[in-house]
Amino acid sequence: IQLTQSPSSLSASVGHRVIITCRASQDISTFLAWYQQQPGKAPKLLIYAASTLQSGVPSRFSGSGSGTDFTLTISSLQPEDFATYYCVQLNSYPFTFGQGTRLEIK
Amino acid sequence: EVQLVESGGGLVQPGGSLRLSCAASGFTLSSNSMTWVRQAPGKGLEWVANIHQDGIEKKYVDSVRGRFTISRDYTQNSIYLQMNNLRAEDAAVYYCARPGRCSGGRCYWDYWGQGTLVTVSS
Repeated sequence: IQLTQSPSSLSASVGHRVIITCRASQDISTFLAWYQQQPGKAPKLLIYAASTLQSGVPSRFSGSGSGTDFTLTISSLQPEDFATYYCVQLNSYPFTFGQGTRLEIK
Repeated sequence: EVQLVESGGGLVQPGGSLRLSCAASGFTLSSNSMTWVRQAPGKGLEWVANIHQDGIEKKYVDSVRGRFTISRDYTQNSIYLQMNNLRAEDAAVYYCARPGRCSGGRCYWDYWGQGTLVTVSS
């Protein structure tokens, strides 16, 4: 299963809303998660089961979608949100990640 | 507190072997499946292998099947990745991860180690 994220990179300002999309090449139900990765760090789980917010993650992060189309929304960007974001599907093996979306400060 | 600590990375020649370890603390491996994920320098994340909590069911990405073996040692509360016949494209930071956040029959990786770097070069 291929996951295609868009955009691949994005420039935005603090306080703005950002939407990242992830499209699957086939139906994956809601078996999708979103991760944030800061440079040189391990990925951090933000959203799982497409829309469930991981404990401790700020509520400005939200996820939606099912089937083949998913979105990660950051409602009001904070300085610490500038990072790379990945979606990953756990519907079937081999598990696959999207190519990543690099979010940069404008 | 859950912790995962990888070790065993380093420089190896093409065709060589390396064994990565991931020591877990704060939980017991017998209650969790475990995963290896890798990231080539400047590239994205790639799932590599899974081992079920029973230690029997194992899954691999096609590019490593037959060369890599995932295993676990309950007495050491650790998992391992034996990597043989290494290729240049296997060079990456290797992370172990615990799929501890479960919903709808799937478990998502909520804890990750810091990663260990594998370099494949002559």
